[in-house]
Amino acid sequence: KAGVTQTPRYLIKTRGQQVTLSCSPISGHRSVSWYQQTPGQGLQFLFEYFSETQRNKGNFPGRFSGRQFSNSRSEMNVSTLELGDSALYLCASSLPETDYEQYFGPGTRLTVT
Amino acid sequence: AQSVSQHNHHVILSEAASLELGCNYSYGGTVNLFWYVQYPGQHLQLLLKYFSGDPLVKGIKGFEAEFIKSKFSFNLRKPSVQWSDTAEYFCAVNDRYSGGGADGLTFGKGTHLIIQP
Repeated sequence: KAGVTQTPRYLIKTRGQQVTLSCSPISGHRSVSWYQQTPGQGLQFLFEYFSETQRNKGNFPGRFSGRQFSNSRSEMNVSTLELGDSALYLCASSLPETDYEQYFGPGTRLTVT
Repeated sequence: AQSVSQHNHHVILSEAASLELGCNYSYGGTVNLFWYVQYPGQHLQLLLKYFSGDPLVKGIKGFEAEFIKSKFSFNLRKPSVQWSDTAEYFCAVNDRYSGGGADGLTFGKGTHLIIQP
């Protein structure tokens, strides 16, 4: 079974721009969560989607948003990029009945200049 | 909000040494506990998990962890480490609220483990 895939793997953007990252969960997984990983803050929960609905949200500004499609694929968007948004963005998927057992993708490395 | 502490940020051991990595979370209630591992150049992988039942759980590659509810701890152990265990190890907690629905995982800052041959 294929794992969680994320595209693109690397991205360089300029301050003020916006960016969209994509995540395809493991087949059959309907819950998708997003995390930000930085050297200073570690891994932080952004939000979680299930059946196209945002079910939970972490403590991030409204510039960070996401959505989920009917095939469970998910995108996250960051608008008005700031230098501090440079990070590894991780997507994780899980089965509905084992929501808490999450499987992670390789991440998208975003660099904001 | 829940918080997770991993006491050792960097650990260096020789092969065949025993390993114990500490993990404490901030408050109780019903929790799910996890250890994830990130090998160099690879993505996060689930090492083991505790949902309920026997507080001593066994994971992949000879790792085990013990949940001690009274101490809010979930320490990771391995009797004899190998060079291939060199990696970053993350403890994570998920609070199971009575209202249902999944919440995000709260991670510790990680422990960088280096095994010297």
